[in-house]
Amino acid sequence: EVQLVESGGGLVQPGGSLRLSCAASGFTVESNNISWVRQAPGKGLEWVSVIYSGGSGGRTYYADSAKGRFTISRDNYNNTVYLQMNSLRAEDTAVYYCARARGYFDSWGQGTLVTVSS
Amino acid sequence: QSALTQPASVSGSPGQSITISCTGTSSDVGSYNSVSWYQQHPGKAPKLMIYEVSKRPSGVSNRFSGSKSGNTASLTISGLQAEDEADYYCCSYAGSSTLYVFGIGTKVTVL
Repeated sequence: EVQLVESGGGLVQPGGSLRLSCAASGFTVESNNISWVRQAPGKGLEWVSVIYSGGSGGRTYYADSAKGRFTISRDNYNNTVYLQMNSLRAEDTAVYYCARARGYFDSWGQGTLVTVSS
Repeated sequence: QSALTQPASVSGSPGQSITISCTGTSSDVGSYNSVSWYQQHPGKAPKLMIYEVSKRPSGVSNRFSGSKSGNTASLTISGLQAEDEADYYCCSYAGSSTLYVFGIGTKVTVL
């Protein structure tokens, strides 16, 4: 069974950093594209980042709102994808989901809440 | 890249059909057959309902169907049921620096 489990969310001050984890089971992250999608409280979905499979060159892409501050990476041994978030702002407050990306998002985790506040 | 345009809300009675539109541009919806639709119940993760404009994942009811014309995609729910009450989001591959763009979301209410 395909499963994604996010962790690492929490309360952080503006300007702080946080690393989110997305542990996969039932498939390998090395052979699949994994994205992060976020949802601010009461708002819609926003794509954040994607890391392509090793077979697709492992390229990474970011939304303009994440460029220069967020970094997506992959640990094939632990079958986990990470999102390192630096210079966090209040507007980054959201539930962060990881999802398998195939031109669409077919499997999603349950999400982890990130709150940026002083 | 701007969010795709969806109606804020759509409602219907049980058994009726409703259609949700999703309007983008020639840079996203109009250029790619990578339009997908997601259902989200309160407090839950989104669920894929339609991919590649009109394909249904295994396990999704055939009451859900998708189509596209030009820069506008549509999701139709036939035989509306109480369990269909949820938020629905469209998404399109955009191919530029922002690879994916979501719609603003539509709240479906079953009267």
